[in-house]
Amino acid sequence: GAVVSQHPSRVICKSGTSVKIECRSLDFQATTMFWYRQFPKQSLMLMATSNEGSKATYEQGVEKDKFLINHASLTLSTLTVTSAHPEDSSFYICSSSGGAETQYFGPGTRLLVL
Amino acid sequence: AQKVTQAQTEISVVEKEDVTLDCVYETRDTTYYLFWYKQPPSGELVFLIRRNSFDEQNEISGRYSWNFQKSTSSFNFTITASQVVDSAVYFCALSSGANNLFFGTGTRLTVIP
Repeated sequence: GAVVSQHPSRVICKSGTSVKIECRSLDFQATTMFWYRQFPKQSLMLMATSNEGSKATYEQGVEKDKFLINHASLTLSTLTVTSAHPEDSSFYICSSSGGAETQYFGPGTRLLVL
Repeated sequence: AQKVTQAQTEISVVEKEDVTLDCVYETRDTTYYLFWYKQPPSGELVFLIRRNSFDEQNEISGRYSWNFQKSTSSFNFTITASQVVDSAVYFCALSSGANNLFFGTGTRLTVIP
């Protein structure tokens, strides 16, 4: 299957700072990438769909000004958590389908906001 | 509306036992895809299988097998002769295409040595 990487794998930051998470497709062109959030012992919730060269589509209840998504190339999408607060602490994971029906996931990023 | 139900929150089995993880789905789409993903403690989601709505053939891959029954809207997953490395959270998911992947709440499987 497709290979998706994420960086960093783990980040700890102070409340009020911004954190950028990168998601890269390593062996295919990803016109569409997806960003999910997973709280402890819960399922994955889709946050937004990232489209190369256009604005991301956010799910209901997700603040687009807080979770900035940039998909400037076919291999890279970034999620920036702006002015992070402790309640933003979560596991963020991206995926891409490469245009096919199966989504392949990155290894995830654990964010802890102090 | 699309929905995936995994009624089993946690399951514990002793090594070498067989275990079946249940998945029931709801959708109004005639074309859809069903998935199983494994999430080990490291957090990464590992793709296990995809099945489209027109293919009800059961599938076997090593110790893993899947039973897809449209009549009961179920897509159950069986692990035969479980091993400690099978311990993980398993998610069933539903999609009507490349987008909108709906996940169940997951089943945490613990295999006791």
